[in-house]
Amino acid sequence: EVQLVESGGGLVQPGGSLRLSCAASGFTFSSYSMNWVRQAPGKGLEWVSYISSSSSTIYYADSVKGRFTISRDNAKNSLYLQMNSLRAEDTAVYYCARGIAATDHAFDIWGQGTMVTVSS
Amino acid sequence: AIRMTQSPSSLSASTGDRVTITCRASQGISSYLAWYQQKPGKAPKLLIYAASTLQSGVPSRFSGSGSGTDFTLTISCLQSEDFATYYCQQYYSYPLFGPGTKVDIK
Repeated sequence: EVQLVESGGGLVQPGGSLRLSCAASGFTFSSYSMNWVRQAPGKGLEWVSYISSSSSTIYYADSVKGRFTISRDNAKNSLYLQMNSLRAEDTAVYYCARGIAATDHAFDIWGQGTMVTVSS
Repeated sequence: AIRMTQSPSSLSASTGDRVTITCRASQGISSYLAWYQQKPGKAPKLLIYAASTLQSGVPSRFSGSGSGTDFTLTISCLQSEDFATYYCQQYYSYPLFGPGTKVDIK
């Protein structure tokens, strides 16, 4: 079964750091681009970051640029998001999502999400 | 920067109805548009990409059309499992989602 499972969410104080992980299974992870997408409570979807299959190309949304770092380990079938200098507005469910083969930037497989709460 | 709008923001419909949701981009995005369905507490599900290509496994009652700035998602015969929120997403530039359209039971 094709599956993505996120972990690492939790409660963190403003200014703190957190590292999210996404474990992939059921497909050739190294062949696909990956993304992080977040959703604040009761709000819509916001794309956060993109990484190509080989890690050669990385993009960030302006809202997280300079604070978040996306990475992947193809040998471990894992995607990561290092989040530093966290703010209250980063509070959201964070999803990892696979880019479809036909075009990297639509997302066909999503994890169940991990909740990040930034609060003192 | 590209802006995405959706209309209506919500609608009430009955099982068996034909439902149309509109998505508009502030500038031309060719056919770089996807549609997702999201149910409460669940991850989004890809329905359509490239404006009109049905994702594998998605029922044929879902269809998409449009190019440039104006796009539509149509559900030809609404089923009970279709009550959800629908998002469009452009990928002509950095991915950007529309604000969503909630479809609920009349």
